[in-house]
Amino acid sequence: QVQLVQSAGEVKKPGASVKVSCKTSGYTFTSYGINWVRQAPGQGLEWMAWISGYNGNTNYAQRFQGRLTVTTDTSTSTAYMELRSLRSDDTAVYYCVKEGRFCPSTSCYGTQYHYYMGVWGEGTTVTV
Amino acid sequence: DIQMTQSPSSLSASVGDRVTITCRASQNINDYLNWYQQKSGKAPKLLIYAASNLESGVPSRFSGSGSGTDFTLTIDSLQPEDVATYYCQQSFTTYSFGQGTRLEIK
Repeated sequence: QVQLVQSAGEVKKPGASVKVSCKTSGYTFTSYGINWVRQAPGQGLEWMAWISGYNGNTNYAQRFQGRLTVTTDTSTSTAYMELRSLRSDDTAVYYCVKEGRFCPSTSCYGTQYHYYMGVWGEGTTVTV
Repeated sequence: DIQMTQSPSSLSASVGDRVTITCRASQNINDYLNWYQQKSGKAPKLLIYAASNLESGVPSRFSGSGSGTDFTLTIDSLQPEDVATYYCQQSFTTYSFGQGTRLEIK
């Protein structure tokens, strides 16, 4: 079955960087993208970024531009999320999520697909 | 950016009740709307994708409807294990989530 196993929690000082890993298994890594979503204590879900498992193309939420980098290693089917210049309000659980896609007709291309967050990792707590 | 607004923010219902949670988008998103359930201390779980499609393994008492800007998640015959926070999410342009609806048993 599909699994996403994340690295252990981290405690960082303000201004430092953190890099979270997400090792996947149970599916063809290059066929799906990975999203990163975070959740501050007692708060809702916040989408951060997406990366293609196929070619490494990325899409970042505006508020993280310049401070966030997501990468993949296709040889190990692992995704990474690095957040720099950490602040106290970056304290959160960080999730990697395998994308899912749905085609509402007999064939789809590009934007005709419906994308969703299919399988979630267990989360990595980052405390700043 | 597309804003997603859920209502209510919290609700309390009895076992066996029919529960409805609504989600409104700040612009037309067609049916690019997903629903997730998050139980305390756990990662979210996909319930509904593309507004009305039930994810495999999700009980049939869950259903979704809507298109355009207004969407609904319905739980028929609420069960104790449905206690959770529910989130809607648009996937029309990148992603954004609603603020969540906390569901409790009365």
